[in-house]
Parts: sequence; structure tokens; C-alpha cells
Amino acid sequence: DQQVKQNSPSLSVQEGRISILNCDYTNSMFDYFLWYKKYPAEGPTFLISISSIKDKNEDGRFTVFLNKSAKHLSLHIVPSQPGDSAVYFCAASGTSGGSYIPTFGRGTSLIVHP
Amino acid sequence: ETGVTQTPRHLVMGMTNKKSLKCEQHLGHNAMYWYKQSAKKPLELMFVYSLEERVENNSVPSRFSPECPNSSHLFLHLHTLQPEDSALYLCASSQGFATNEKLFFGSGTQLSVL
Repeated sequence: DQQVKQNSPSLSVQEGRISILNCDYTNSMFDYFLWYKKYPAEGPTFLISISSIKDKNEDGRFTVFLNKSAKHLSLHIVPSQPGDSAVYFCAASGTSGGSYIPTFGRGTSLIVHP
Repeated sequence: ETGVTQTPRHLVMGMTNKKSLKCEQHLGHNAMYWYKQSAKKPLELMFVYSLEERVENNSVPSRFSPECPNSSHLFLHLHTLQPEDSALYLCASSQGFATNEKLFFGSGTQLSVL
């Protein structure tokens, strides 16, 4: 039973346009959410995170939105660049009885075409 | 060297072989993790160590045996594996287990079991 779901295995976007990667979770104990980015032959690297006390966090071209009532978060990349082509993993963790160790989704492969 | 280093990068082994994966972190972190990444599946947590003591084992088969001799080194000993164990094995470390903790990953060992 997956607690973190990334239902789109892949996404293709034109350079300069917006990329939107989606993530859903089922455990209401999760209160911290992270996105990791993974290039081929490399390990995942931290990209951006958001606490459940916020609904938006922005870092340059990357913005994460959190909708707690829907148990949904999304990562927006604007404008998308070919170097953004990678696999993006959504992860969630929590206190208050939840696991403090991140639970990961299966990833979404983003391809940004020049 | 910096970050998290994993060796070997690639490993091919038969089902009767015994091999070990090695991970070393140069970040001064107190926690280390083994994750498994199979195609089209979420990153699966296998083992977690805190200051050399195992704190979580996600019901991993006994053919996988972890060892953490000190807070900088982590091993995964493999014996009598099955072809379905072929996957990317990722090591990670973190400072601790705070809810906003970020994991730092190595590049992984791509394992093929014949």
C-alpha cells in the first residue's frame, strides 16, 4: 500500500514552458514534504521542501504547493530548461506518531525538449 | 572526498555468490540508510542505522545483511540472492532524524543477479 503516490511515470515539456509534477499522499500524519531530483548514474539530490504549516514554498524557478485537505502537492518548474530533465521523487515524513524517515514515491521522469 | 561514496558502481553476481556493497559518508552525519530502487517502484527503505545501531529494518529478507562498524561506514552483505533482487541500491546519510531532515544520497550500486 503506497503512502506516497506519483501517478505520472513521465512528463514531456517544451523548453521555456511550465512543468507540473504531482504527488498524492494517504497518511494524514505526514507533515513535511520534500522533492528530490535524480540524474542517471547519480543519487537523488534534495531540491525543495515544504512544511504542512505552509501552502507554498518558492526557490528560484521551483515552487512547491501543498493542499492538505486534498493530500496533494505539486512541484512547478518555470521556465523549464533541458537541464531539468531528470527523475523527480516526492517524499513525505512526519512526527506525531508518523515516521520521521521519508517515504518516497516511485518518481516522475521529466523530459524537457529544447 | 566529499558527500556519500558508494562502491562498486556496478556489480554482476550469480545466485550462489557472496558480495558486499560499501558506503562511506564524509559529512559527519549520525544516521545512514540503505534504499532499494527497482524499476517502476518507489524507493524502498531497507535499513536505517543511528550511531552504528540499527533502528529500523523494513522486513528485508535475511539474504541481505547490513553492517555499520562506525558512523561513517555502512555495508550491505549479499548472499544467495535472487534475480528479482536486481536493482539500484542507494546509500544515504542524514544528520539525525528531525522531521525536516534531508537525506544525502550516494550514486548507488547497480546490481544484476544472474
